[in-house]
Amino acid sequence: QKEVEQNSGPLSVPEGAIASLNCTYSDRVSQSFFWYRQYSGKSPELIMSIYSNGDKEDGRFTAQLNKASQYVSLLIRDSQPSDSATYLCAVNTRDTNAGKSTFGDGTTLTVKP
Amino acid sequence: EAGVTQFPSHSVIEKGQTVTLRCDPISGHDNLYWYRRVMGKEIKFLLHFVKESKQDESGMPNNRFLAERTGGTYSTLKVQPAELEDSGVYFCASSQEFNTEAFFGQGTRLTVV
Repeated sequence: QKEVEQNSGPLSVPEGAIASLNCTYSDRVSQSFFWYRQYSGKSPELIMSIYSNGDKEDGRFTAQLNKASQYVSLLIRDSQPSDSATYLCAVNTRDTNAGKSTFGDGTTLTVKP
Repeated sequence: EAGVTQFPSHSVIEKGQTVTLRCDPISGHDNLYWYRRVMGKEIKFLLHFVKESKQDESGMPNNRFLAERTGGTYSTLKVQPAELEDSGVYFCASSQEFNTEAFFGQGTRLTVV
């Protein structure tokens, strides 16, 4: 089992719809959770971070964390063609010596005009 | 404020040669990470510096890889001798605080032929 798993893509939604990206993780001591967006050939760009259970909203983006279910998601409202990219879920553990992130494979999102 | 910069952006070398990658983190960021993405795989952690010290090098694949961060500023990652399986994109990231958001550089695409 992979440490961080993302829903298999590609995911395609029409413009204006809600895109839902899901991520599960296996390490119960995980503490910090990040969503990165990566355009083709570009570097991962941090778009959301979440550290406690519940929802965190930033513009059209909402991250949801449920530590009991070991689940973190990203919702993109009013999806735009410019949101088309690969979305990476990254998880950090609570280990005080570990600042590293463990990444999922990524989910490729296509928003169709 | 300048972001994380990496040099070179691309490198093509022959098997057996040596290559050195450089990363300049965001000014003031004590934490510097190296990651690698090989074709078709997820981004994987290589190592983590805190200032000039190696905090975690558990992801380094073998002793052909040597990372340094003299003076706690920029870092280099040397591969010697390079093998075909070393091909991939090498990302550097930095963060101000431990276990918080990391900002990525554009990556160095290494091709070993």
